[in-house]
Amino acid sequence: GAGVSQTPSNKVTEKGKYVELRCDPISGHTALYWYRQSLGQGPEFLIYFQGTGAADDSGLPNDRFFAVRPEGSVSTLKIQRTERGDSAVYLCASSLRAASGNTIYFGEGSWLTVV
Amino acid sequence: QKEVEQDPGPLSVPEGAIVSLNCTYSNSAFQYFMWYRQYSRKGPELLMYTYSSGNKEDGRFTAQVDKSSKYISLFIRDSQPSDSATYLCAMSVPGANNLFFGTGTRLTVIP
Repeated sequence: GAGVSQTPSNKVTEKGKYVELRCDPISGHTALYWYRQSLGQGPEFLIYFQGTGAADDSGLPNDRFFAVRPEGSVSTLKIQRTERGDSAVYLCASSLRAASGNTIYFGEGSWLTVV
Repeated sequence: QKEVEQDPGPLSVPEGAIVSLNCTYSNSAFQYFMWYRQYSRKGPELLMYTYSSGNKEDGRFTAQVDKSSKYISLFIRDSQPSDSATYLCAMSVPGANNLFFGTGTRLTVIP
């Protein structure tokens, strides 16, 4: 597609459940990013992929969060044992190459609510 | 202290007004500066992108970077109701892979 596509757009889950959020980047973009945006805040970096490998996962808050990009295109963000504090918008973005000096394009986000 | 500070507003202006949005930052290594617009329940959309200091103009939008003061601005001329959104500043260090965002300023342009 023309832009970054994220599914689901909305997800409500119970505390303690496992969640997967999917991102389909812009075709040809090798760099992929996940950000998290809490209410009233700017996006915060979670993880960056260059190709298939996680080149920088320094923003993942704890080991309940994990992301993969097995074929260098689609990525899945996985959250185990969800907590109410995980409620946020999870934004995926992609760029032609690494962020520095290159424009990154965001998807519309997956709105996660943990009840 | 956050690396990027931005007044969250909200800011309300009448249609046609000039809007000034600002961010300050603490990391002198930032070289790339961006402004994103985010409509309600949408992802951020890139508006302006500048490298290092100086001004950049695109239609009704002007971005300014003052690295000596660690201060960036976005000006919107002849503001329109369709400009009503949250405006996020973002910046990055050369060679880094992540952007640092401000909290966003919520703008409403009143017809």
